[in-house]
Amino acid sequence: KQEVTQIPAALSVPEGENLVLNCSFTDSAIYNLQWFRQDPGKGLTSLLLIQSSQREQTSGRLNASLDKSSGRSTLYIAASQPGDSATYLCAVTTGANNLFFGTGTRLTVIP
Amino acid sequence: DTAVSQTPKYLVTQMGNDKSIKCEQNLGHDTMYWYKQDSKKFLKIMFSYNNKELIINETVPNRFSPKSPDKAHLNLHINSLELGDSAVYFCASSQGNEQFFGPGTRLTVL
Repeated sequence: KQEVTQIPAALSVPEGENLVLNCSFTDSAIYNLQWFRQDPGKGLTSLLLIQSSQREQTSGRLNASLDKSSGRSTLYIAASQPGDSATYLCAVTTGANNLFFGTGTRLTVIP
Repeated sequence: DTAVSQTPKYLVTQMGNDKSIKCEQNLGHDTMYWYKQDSKKFLKIMFSYNNKELIINETVPNRFSPKSPDKAHLNLHINSLELGDSAVYFCASSQGNEQFFGPGTRLTVL
């Protein structure tokens, strides 16, 4: 059974720092991996989608990498801003479009 | 706006009641889902529908039943609500394997 783990569970950084969030999954037979952002009391916003055949995706200050064979993904956020404060979730898609979520990393960017 | 929408946003009800949460997507997607996010913020899939056919049914109590009147809607009916049903419920849709989520419905059972 697929299990997705994210570390750290919480992270606090000063504004302007670059940071890395980690995601690992136990079953490498995935179709893709998605990174989401969840603001308090809000829904999920899709940030990046990496297909299983890809190694990374970039969107603005965000860069996500995928190493399927080792079951790892990282989300790199450059020049962090207070508006980046949120919970970041990674999720992997397996057969039948079943999405397995990690428990999230709560990021606080201090002005 | 093109989106996945859910109603209501908040739902407070007594134990034992029956309630429904509605979900609509105007993205033209073929597959819709329901997820539950518990108090520890862990998201887990409950159901998905593809062309009005249930294709995933995780081990959720049969008090929960998804109903899809058409491809754009997937409603969640919950019978005999229990305290442990309190959570945030998210609807999502996909065409292919990228999923788009609704804003969530916070259900509180008293």
